[in-house]
Amino acid sequence: TQLLEQSPQFLSIQEGENLTVYCNSSSVFSSLQWYRQEPGEGPVLLVTVVTGGEVKKLKRLTFQFGDARKDSSLHITAAQPGDTGLYLCAGVGQAGTALIFGKGTTLSVSS
Amino acid sequence: DTAVSQTPKYLVTQMGNDKSIKCEQNLGHDTMYWYKQDSKKFLKIMFSYNNKELIINETVPNRFSPKSPDKAHLNLHINSLELGDSAVYFCASSQGSRRFYGYTFGSGTRLTVV
Repeated sequence: TQLLEQSPQFLSIQEGENLTVYCNSSSVFSSLQWYRQEPGEGPVLLVTVVTGGEVKKLKRLTFQFGDARKDSSLHITAAQPGDTGLYLCAGVGQAGTALIFGKGTTLSVSS
Repeated sequence: DTAVSQTPKYLVTQMGNDKSIKCEQNLGHDTMYWYKQDSKKFLKIMFSYNNKELIINETVPNRFSPKSPDKAHLNLHINSLELGDSAVYFCASSQGSRRFYGYTFGSGTRLTVV
């Protein structure tokens, strides 16, 4: 069974700080996706990375896929209260089955 | 216009009852899914349908039965509800089952079994 481990589980920071969330696995994933979920809503796709070593930027968010396609990171620069939410990484395994999710990182940004 | 809509949003019911959750997507996607999110926010795949055909059926009690009347709808029927079934159930859809397609999720159905 392919598993995705996310760290940290909880993160509470002040507005303006930088942070990094990690997503790791012992298995190779053909792609990884990052989602953000707000209370009472479903997860919303932020980005998909498919190539080892790929870096994608979405405004203040930078996503990286590890060279070996076993890990990914999400870096947020100058966090804002609007970044508060649950961040989930998800991957499609080699068998091409449905997305497998990590357990999530709950981010709280206070002003 | 909501892309993936689920009804009801909240469902409170007694143990032993049978209930259904409905899901509809207007994105023209071929693949639909049911996920269960537990109290610790962990999302786990339950079922996946591609063009009305069941393609994934994870280890889920057979009290749970999905039905897809057409590729835009995927309903979930649950028999003999148990306390442990309390969770948030999400419907999702994607353009296909290939690795780079993102999923669009509904806003969830919070099921509470008392």
